[in-house]
Amino acid sequence: DPKIIQKPKYLVAVTGSEKILICEQYLGHNAMYWYRQSAKKPLEFMFSYSYQKLMDNQTASSRFQPQSSKKNHLDLQITALKPDDSATYFCASSQDTYEQYFGPGTRLTVL
Amino acid sequence: GDSVTQTEGPVTVSESESLIINCTYSATSIAYPNLFWYVRYPGEGLQLLLKVITAGQKGSSRGFEATYNKETTSFHLQKASVQESDSAVYYCALGWPSSFSKLVFGQGTSLSVVP
Repeated sequence: DPKIIQKPKYLVAVTGSEKILICEQYLGHNAMYWYRQSAKKPLEFMFSYSYQKLMDNQTASSRFQPQSSKKNHLDLQITALKPDDSATYFCASSQDTYEQYFGPGTRLTVL
Repeated sequence: GDSVTQTEGPVTVSESESLIINCTYSATSIAYPNLFWYVRYPGEGLQLLLKVITAGQKGSSRGFEATYNKETTSFHLQKASVQESDSAVYYCALGWPSSFSKLVFGQGTSLSVVP
């Protein structure tokens, strides 16, 4: 059974619209993260959360807003989408510090 | 900031041949980071392949191994004899043993193993 669920797997959006990427983890971990991988670039850290509290934010744009309704959920809301936002977005979780476990990713295409 | 550089892909290797994917890192702290290799098989998410958190130590998993060399700031991934099932994208990464710290990834190396 998948331990980290990301929905949807693929997402196509139009410029200017808003989308929410879903992430749920069933590993019992106390920390969750979002990373982004654009074409030809390394995975880039975006946010980390622990017990529904923001721990680190390295995303410059306020258009990206994490939302945590439960401690094992960390969704990512993206507003005013731009073509440059096209990427694969990975959710991850960990218990305390290192050894992060990753989900399968959501591939977002903005037209 | 911290950075990780790894072998530019794609890399093609014949089955049963040996493999080495180079990884070097640059860290802003005088402390030693934790080092990781992740793998992403087609259609799947990233999986942790191996990790080493102590400089000078070697990690191994599924026939792969990597040694943490603090002098050369390297963490090269090696396998003596690859199989077709090893075809995947391999990512080197570093992290810090502090609470909820981010991982810094290399750009990934796509490996194809051909019969």
